Amino acid sequence: ILNVEQSPQSLHVQEGDSTNFTCSFPSSNFYALHWYRWETAKSPEALFVMTLNGDEKKKGRISATLNTKEGYSYLYIKGSQPEDSATYLCASTGNQFYFGTGTSLTVIP
Amino acid sequence: DSGVTQTPKHLITATGQRVTLRCSPRSGDLSVYWYQQSLDQGLQFLIQYYNGEERAKGNILERFSAQQFPDLHSELNLSSLELGDSALYFCASSLSGHTDTQYFGPGTRLTVL
Repeated sequence: ILNVEQSPQSLHVQEGDSTNFTCSFPSSNFYALHWYRWETAKSPEALFVMTLNGDEKKKGRISATLNTKEGYSYLYIKGSQPEDSATYLCASTGNQFYFGTGTSLTVIP
Repeated sequence: DSGVTQTPKHLITATGQRVTLRCSPRSGDLSVYWYQQSLDQGLQFLIQYYNGEERAKGNILERFSAQQFPDLHSELNLSSLELGDSALYFCASSLSGHTDTQYFGPGTRLTVL
């Protein structure tokens, strides 16, 4: 993998559903993996920074895992709520910062 | 409110002109990052400064330059502006480096006519 890739590009789920997204990144020259939540007309808001293989972070209903050997991270949202609707962005940092194009989540009430 | 401030919020200018965008980091943060978000493109990293020194450089054009001052505020200078430079420019700050949480400012919307 040469770039940071996120999947799916967009996702519609019902309120109460749990969901997850994937961020794939180059595993060479890796320093950290950042997850952001980005609402329309606002600026990105940091969710997690992870550095070590096997890292797991949690904030409320949102959690993330990191596999640096295979170059991927998962973001999980448990019991999605309409206020979770946003674009979820990941960024891999090595010598620079490389952002994925995001996963747009819409939670339908 | 992230604690990062950017001015101005909006800027409209003409091709060929030069503009300066300003960013004040959160209190205590030593690193400042500049990002560009163009239409239909994701966030592109431009440059990072740490305590006044350039630390990392991304896809920043030669027409663009930045600096970080002793009070840690930073300025991004864009010159010989082209239509394609129209974008949202974000500044972010962090305590130190790549493994620290970055806090984004509200952005400056630049429109080049």
